Amino acid sequence: DTAVSQTPKYLVTQMGNDKSIKCEQNLGHDTMYWYKQDSKKFLKIMFSYNNKELIINETVPNRFSPKSPDKAHLNLHINSLELGDSAVYFCASSQDATGARPLGNTIYFGEGSWLTVV
Amino acid sequence: GQQVMQIPQYQHVQEGEDFTTYCNSSTTLSNIQWYKQRPGGHPVFLIQLVKSGEVKKQKRLTFQFGEAKKNSSLHITATQTTDVGTYFCAVYNQGGKLIFGQGTELSVKP
Repeated sequence: DTAVSQTPKYLVTQMGNDKSIKCEQNLGHDTMYWYKQDSKKFLKIMFSYNNKELIINETVPNRFSPKSPDKAHLNLHINSLELGDSAVYFCASSQDATGARPLGNTIYFGEGSWLTVV
Repeated sequence: GQQVMQIPQYQHVQEGEDFTTYCNSSTTLSNIQWYKQRPGGHPVFLIQLVKSGEVKKQKRLTFQFGEAKKNSSLHITATQTTDVGTYFCAVYNQGGKLIFGQGTELSVKP
């Protein structure tokens, strides 16, 4: 069983469309994330949820709206897609949010969703 | 905010040669993690370093944490084609965000 699974893996869509990427983790983790990886492979955190509560919200356009129905799921909805949204989006999870844990946590990534906006 | 600089951005080696990637921070780090991302794949956790001067080995990979806990390195001895990929260091900032370095993309020529 895949620990962190996200769908779809590939998504090609036109500018202006709305699309969603779904993510589920079966690791029993409390914290889930969305990361964006651009064409230069730079990984940047977008959102983090801990037990369904939003804890990190980077400077991301409000066209991006995460939703966490329960702690095992974190979906990403994108409105009015733009060319610049083309990237790989990784869902991830970790055991805990690390604000109070100096030793940190291992992050487990999903396989990625390749979004191409044309 | 917390930043970590990683160099080089690219490294092309002949199979059998060694490879090293470096991460540097202007501030003292509580810990540092390393991840590997194969081409077309997703980042996979390799190791976490916590102690000053710590050295850990995984087969041909050697990870070091600097004495001042401001830098770290990953060294691969005698690279193989299976080592191809992008290697990232990552650190947690005070806000609990895992910040990734820019990554070093390793290509190995057989």
